[in-house]
Amino acid sequence: DARVTQTPRHKVTEMGQEVTMRCQPILGHNTVFWYRQTMMQGLELLAYFRNRAPLDDSGMPKDRFSAEMPDATLATLKIQPSEPRDSAVYFCASGPRQTQETQYFGPGTRLLVL
Amino acid sequence: AQSVAQPEDQVNVAEGNPLTVKCTYSVSGNPYLFWYVQYPNRGLQFLLKYITGDNLVKGSYGFEAEFNKSQTSFHLKKPSALVSDSALYFCAVREPSGGYNKLIFGAGTRLAVHP
Repeated sequence: DARVTQTPRHKVTEMGQEVTMRCQPILGHNTVFWYRQTMMQGLELLAYFRNRAPLDDSGMPKDRFSAEMPDATLATLKIQPSEPRDSAVYFCASGPRQTQETQYFGPGTRLLVL
Repeated sequence: AQSVAQPEDQVNVAEGNPLTVKCTYSVSGNPYLFWYVQYPNRGLQFLLKYITGDNLVKGSYGFEAEFNKSQTSFHLKKPSALVSDSALYFCAVREPSGGYNKLIFGAGTRLAVHP
């Protein structure tokens, strides 16, 4: 059945390194969301795309985070340079065109920055 | 702005007993409400949603939720809990913003079902 896929599932890196996370939304979905989950902050919305255009990235630290959607089958979230406080699980979700959209989540990328 | 509150960090239930996970909301306009479940090391899975119509919404895995407008609540329920229901449960509300919709999630409630 159709699923959102995310790669890598786990990433351990050193502070200062670039991290790239990838997401393949469900085919035909036109909305893509990036979330970050931590114990302290819970689920935070980082960015939102509709039809590949970024509509809201107000939840994202602009100085080090960037989100793009180069085509309809790929969304990326980059952190450069990474910091220990970026350690979290990053989820991608996609949603269909209907207005009462349900979001379908990927399995997440667990990031640890040392 | 829309918001949801999940007043309980954790709910403990014995297997076979009914379970309730509480959620209250604050919205302007008609509420669009959702429940998601997260199993360990997994992403969130959609359980059910209320948009309009019948106040009792049925969803996946035998779960249901009751929309109560006067109490601004959307509690998740199941008549007979299973150990496999143990997970983290999130209530969410849709927030229209700038021509698009985003979900505002509660802090989550951890459900522990004991044999």
